[in-house]
Amino acid sequence: EVQLVESGGNLVQPGRSLRLSCVASGFTFDDYAMHWVRQPPGKGLEWVSGINGNGVGVGYADSVEGRFTVSRDSAKNSLYLRMSSLTNDDMAIYYCVKGVGSTWYPDDAFDIWGQGAKVTVSS
Amino acid sequence: DIQMTQSPSSLSASVGDRVTITCRASDSISNSLNWYQQKPGKAPKLLIYATSGLRSGVPSRFSGSGSGTDFTLTISSLQPEDFATYFCQQSYFTPLTFGGGTKVEIK
Repeated sequence: EVQLVESGGNLVQPGRSLRLSCVASGFTFDDYAMHWVRQPPGKGLEWVSGINGNGVGVGYADSVEGRFTVSRDSAKNSLYLRMSSLTNDDMAIYYCVKGVGSTWYPDDAFDIWGQGAKVTVSS
Repeated sequence: DIQMTQSPSSLSASVGDRVTITCRASDSISNSLNWYQQKPGKAPKLLIYATSGLRSGVPSRFSGSGSGTDFTLTISSLQPEDFATYFCQQSYFTPLTFGGGTKVEIK
């Protein structure tokens, strides 16, 4: 069974940092692009970041560029999102998502979603 | 950034109805358009990729069409389990962007 399990969601103060992790199972991790997609409470979906299956190519939403860093570890079948300088606007459920292809852009789709990790930003 | 505009933002329909949701892109995105279904408290699910490709396991009552800037998701005969929110998403330009969602409610 294809499965994605996120961890690392937490309450964090504005301006602080947090790292999300996602462990993948049930598929050949290196063959697929991976993404982070977030959803603020009661709102729509926002793509945050994508990374190619080989870990070389990455992309970010304008709203997180320069503050967030995506990475992956093939030995651990894991995807990560390092988030810094967090603000209230970053408060959301963060989903780890498997792509349908090996490159995050263009033409990928969000195939399998994790259950989500909740990030709360508050002093 | 490419803006994706869905309409309507919500609709009420009955079981058995034919339902159509539209998605318009602010620039041509060829056929790089995907559709997702989300139920309350759950992660979204991919329904349709590349405009009209039905994801494995998705019922055939779901279909997609369009090209360029105008796209459509159709549910041919609405079932009780289809009451949910639907999102379109373009993958032609970076950053990847979603529509605002269409909530399908029971009439």
